[in-house]
Amino acid sequence: DSGVTQTPKHLITATGQRVTLRCSPRSGDLSVYWYQQSLDQGLQFLIHYYNGEERAKGNILERFSAQQFPDLHSELNLSSLELGDSALYFCASSVDRGSTGELFFGEGSRLTVL
Amino acid sequence: AQKITQTQPGMFVQEKEAVTLDCTYDTSDPSYGLFWYKQPSSGEMIFLIYQGSYDQQNATEGRYSLNFQKARKSANLVISASQLGDSAMYFCAMREHYSGGSNYKLTFGKGTLLTVNP
Repeated sequence: DSGVTQTPKHLITATGQRVTLRCSPRSGDLSVYWYQQSLDQGLQFLIHYYNGEERAKGNILERFSAQQFPDLHSELNLSSLELGDSALYFCASSVDRGSTGELFFGEGSRLTVL
Repeated sequence: AQKITQTQPGMFVQEKEAVTLDCTYDTSDPSYGLFWYKQPSSGEMIFLIYQGSYDQQNATEGRYSLNFQKARKSANLVISASQLGDSAMYFCAMREHYSGGSNYKLTFGKGTLLTVNP
């Protein structure tokens, strides 16, 4: 158990819909990362939040947005869903300062868009 | 931009034998970190081993060791005495700093699917 909690574990929805994925980082970790894993693209970095502030954006579509709340949990919002958005979405957290940079991953949220 | 290359989409190994999974990287940063993660069929990402760019010795963690060749920019994972439970996807990743250096992300390779045969 990494200590990172993601909900829901599985989600099935239709094209055009909107979903919210939730992540609670390990206790004390200020950074939250979101990654998307699909068969053809591998593990793609989406976005990084540190203590409520956005620090970096990767290959995140404009239809997607994220935020980190004062209690440090984070949400990834996916809207106008397309078939190609079907993927495993990971949240990860890190200790940041003084660490190697290891990311602790949640179990992922598997999104299926029909 | 940094890049991680894993050239072996799939590897097979007999139980109890050793196997090497290849990883090469490209960076202009003098300070970087290299990681290996394991992803079994259940999907979770499990951290295995870390090597810092300034570390003098190759990292080891139990049956896992990292063959770090800085001049060649390679960081191969060696698994000794393979077990059936080692069958999984293995990802090499590199730490990339941004925003003045205190924040970073990990960039992952495409992965290698290891199958351990009995």
